[in-house]
Amino acid sequence: DIQLTQSPSFLSASVGDRVTITCRASQGISSYLAWYQQKPGKAPKLLIYAASTLQSGVPSRFSGSGSGTGFALTISSLQPEDFATYYCLQLNSYPLTFGGGTKVEIK
Amino acid sequence: EVQLVQSGAEVKKPGESLKISCKASGYIYGTYWIAWVRQMPGKGLEWMGIIYPGDSDTKYSPSFQGQVTISVDKSITTAYLQWSSLKASDTAMYFCVRRRGTLVRGSLSYYFDYWGQGTLVTVSS
Repeated sequence: DIQLTQSPSFLSASVGDRVTITCRASQGISSYLAWYQQKPGKAPKLLIYAASTLQSGVPSRFSGSGSGTGFALTISSLQPEDFATYYCLQLNSYPLTFGGGTKVEIK
Repeated sequence: EVQLVQSGAEVKKPGESLKISCKASGYIYGTYWIAWVRQMPGKGLEWMGIIYPGDSDTKYSPSFQGQVTISVDKSITTAYLQWSSLKASDTAMYFCVRRRGTLVRGSLSYYFDYWGQGTLVTVSS
């Protein structure tokens, strides 16, 4: 099984900060990685797929990068509505696996 | 408009059986895989399994194989997740989600695009 290790697991930041979350895969997964945002009590929302393709309707301050085993989600200027938990998901092979999550909180 | 609408919250006792549902609308049902994702209280997301409504081909995570059954009734565009004997550790929110494939840079890339609202299952004596 492919393990996804997200870091950090917790992040405290201020509005306007540039924030980067990383996701490392235990083996190469090409670009078959997606990023999701989840707010309390809600279903996750797709932000990025194919490692770096922005989902329609998602603000351009979100960007994704990487391939193989190393990936990153960057928020260029954190907004109040971005405080949430973020997950990466690999769809390279079964079983599909999620990263452990990164909770972004207000400093 | 694509929608996945899940059945309502359930409260069950250990040992009871349960089947929850996920009704899809707004797209050609037989052409997209539907997956189930578990989220235990205060924890992360776990992929449980996935089914192709076109032919009911199903794949399970090893962690859930034998513990749950995923099925589909294509005639009513509804997928199901069922348990034959619930445990307290099955207490969680369960989401259904559609898997989509898109050609990106010459490769077919998959992702989960539309999610159900979630079904909260509480198992307690």
